[in-house]
Amino acid sequence: AQSVTQPDIHITVSEGASLELRCNYSYGATPYLFWYVQSPGQGLQLLLKYFSGDTLVQGIKGFEAEFKRSQSSFNLRKPSVHWSDAAEYFCAGLKQDDYKLSFGAGTTVTVRA
Amino acid sequence: DTEVTQTPKHLVMGMTNKKSLKCEQHMGHRAMYWYKQKAKKPPELMFVYSYEKLSINESVPSRFSPECPNSSLLNLHLHALQPEDSALYLCASSPGGGASYEQYFGPGTRLTVT
Repeated sequence: AQSVTQPDIHITVSEGASLELRCNYSYGATPYLFWYVQSPGQGLQLLLKYFSGDTLVQGIKGFEAEFKRSQSSFNLRKPSVHWSDAAEYFCAGLKQDDYKLSFGAGTTVTVRA
Repeated sequence: DTEVTQTPKHLVMGMTNKKSLKCEQHMGHRAMYWYKQKAKKPPELMFVYSYEKLSINESVPSRFSPECPNSSLLNLHLHALQPEDSALYLCASSPGGGASYEQYFGPGTRLTVT
């Protein structure tokens, strides 16, 4: 069965430090991959997406993600975190020709001053 | 503009009430979705409409009734809900007919069933 795994439930990072969130996928073929961010009580905002091509994807708010087929990973990175980056982050996968996103369990990011 | 709007933001209803949630997008997307999200969990898919036709129903209880009056609007009619139905209800849309495309989410309706 298709699945997306986020190994880290909670990450705490200092403001100005770098951030990396892990995401692993398990699909028969390469899925489409996405990162979403959700602030408390809000909807999900699409940060970036990977369909094919360049394996380093740039997104909004200074985020980037790298697709690594050999490691079945799609990790999200930001070089310098701001207090406003504190939120829940979801990695999601989509099988080609499908509608149903498979979400990881999410990673909560706390930013300390 | 990648905006999906949802009304109301908050809704409190009793178990015998009938209410509706509304979702709207003007991006020309032809697929729209309803999700349910419980606290500290990822969203769970409920329904998918593609080209105004119901494509997927994830075995959702009949007390939830979706409706897609046109390509920009999606409603979720609620009747005889249970307290465990309290959750954040998210609407999303995606380009084309939906399959193989990214989804854009609205801000959600926080539903409390008393």
